[in-house]
Amino acid sequence: GENVEQHPSTLSVQEGDSAVIKCTYSDSASNYFPWYKQELGKRPQLIIDIRSNVGEKKDQRIAVTLNKTAKHFSLHITETQPEDSAVYFCAARDNNDMRFGAGTRLTVKP
Amino acid sequence: DAGVIQSPRHEVTEMGQEVTLRCKPISGHNSLFWYRQTMMRGLELLIYFNNNVPIDDSGMPEDRFSAKMPNASFSTLKIQPSEPRDSAVYFCASSLRQGTNYNEQFFGPGTRLTVL
Repeated sequence: GENVEQHPSTLSVQEGDSAVIKCTYSDSASNYFPWYKQELGKRPQLIIDIRSNVGEKKDQRIAVTLNKTAKHFSLHITETQPEDSAVYFCAARDNNDMRFGAGTRLTVKP
Repeated sequence: DAGVIQSPRHEVTEMGQEVTLRCKPISGHNSLFWYRQTMMRGLELLIYFNNNVPIDDSGMPEDRFSAKMPNASFSTLKIQPSEPRDSAVYFCASSLRQGTNYNEQFFGPGTRLTVL
């Protein structure tokens, strides 16, 4: 089955700086890579996703890049704000299996 | 749409008791997922259904866990008998599968289970 590794486990940045979270996956058949944001005590919510037929996707301050050859994908948040503070999860799925990374706790200091 | 609905939101029970968690997916979605979240193990996929049929239950930890989806608008996750190590937040999520493409999963608010 799929195995997803996520780094770093914690990340602290100053407001306005950029944050980058990286994930690797093991199953070359994986074709869908979502990123979720989970605030304390709340449910995970999708913030951006990418499919295997594209290498990059951007939505305002958030972007995701995918390198299928190396089997890794990254989340980039620019101009971070205190409300970006949360736990972020990457995930990878093929047609049958969805696995999440262990999560990254992002803290944006004002 | 009210989104994915889960009940109860909180459950406190004693070891050995049966626990039933309920989920109503978003209307029109044809895939339903049960997850368990703990600090130690993170977010784990327990089981998922496509068109009410269980596809992969390899994440179900033990025979004490069972899940059903009798129709497109309802699913249950049952733990019998419950143990303290089952304490976690259980999330249900649903999505629309189109062909071989899975789309965004929408998570319910979760059920926080505490087994004493």
